[in-house]
Amino acid sequence: DSGVTQTPKHLITATGQRVTLRCSPRSGDLSVYWYQQSLDQGLQFLIHYYNGEERAKGNILERFSAQQFPDLHSELNLSSLELGDSALYFCASSVVDTHTGELFFGEGSRLTVL
Amino acid sequence: GENVEQHPSTLSVQEGDSAVIKCTYSDSASNYFPWYKQELGKGPQLIIDIRSNVGEKKDQRIAVTLNKTAKHFSLHITETQPEDSAVYFCAASKKTGFQKLVFGTGTRLLVSP
Repeated sequence: DSGVTQTPKHLITATGQRVTLRCSPRSGDLSVYWYQQSLDQGLQFLIHYYNGEERAKGNILERFSAQQFPDLHSELNLSSLELGDSALYFCASSVVDTHTGELFFGEGSRLTVL
Repeated sequence: GENVEQHPSTLSVQEGDSAVIKCTYSDSASNYFPWYKQELGKGPQLIIDIRSNVGEKKDQRIAVTLNKTAKHFSLHITETQPEDSAVYFCAASKKTGFQKLVFGTGTRLLVSP
């Protein structure tokens, strides 16, 4: 158990809908990272927050947004969903505010868009 | 930006054999190279990492080597066991400039008893 909690574990929705994925980092970790894992693209970095502030953006679509709240949990919002958004979405946390330390991953949220 | 290539995509070995997975990176400024293991239904878990100031690091049956000149690094697993079966990801990042951990596309390792 990594100590990172993601909900929901599975989500099935229709095209055009909006969903919210939630992540609780390990106790004491200030950094939260979001990654998308699809079959043909591996793990793609989406966005990084540190102590409530956005630190880096990767290949995140404009239809997607995220935030980190004062209690350090984070939410990833996906809107106007398309079939291609079907993937595993991972949240990871770490103590450091860089990308050069150990990341602790949750078990992921599997999104299926029909 | 950084690009990480990983080979092979699948690797089948017999229990007790060694397994080697290779990665190349493009950004010469990258200085941190972790390896993650992902078991079925789980998130990736760090198994070993290496920084650019060393050429090799070992942890029991696992070792990682880094060649900065050639910009490639490798994961070596000796005396493989069935529980080593998983998907392994290499990654690269740097501490300066635009930071993001870039992952390779993964290697599915199957260890047969």
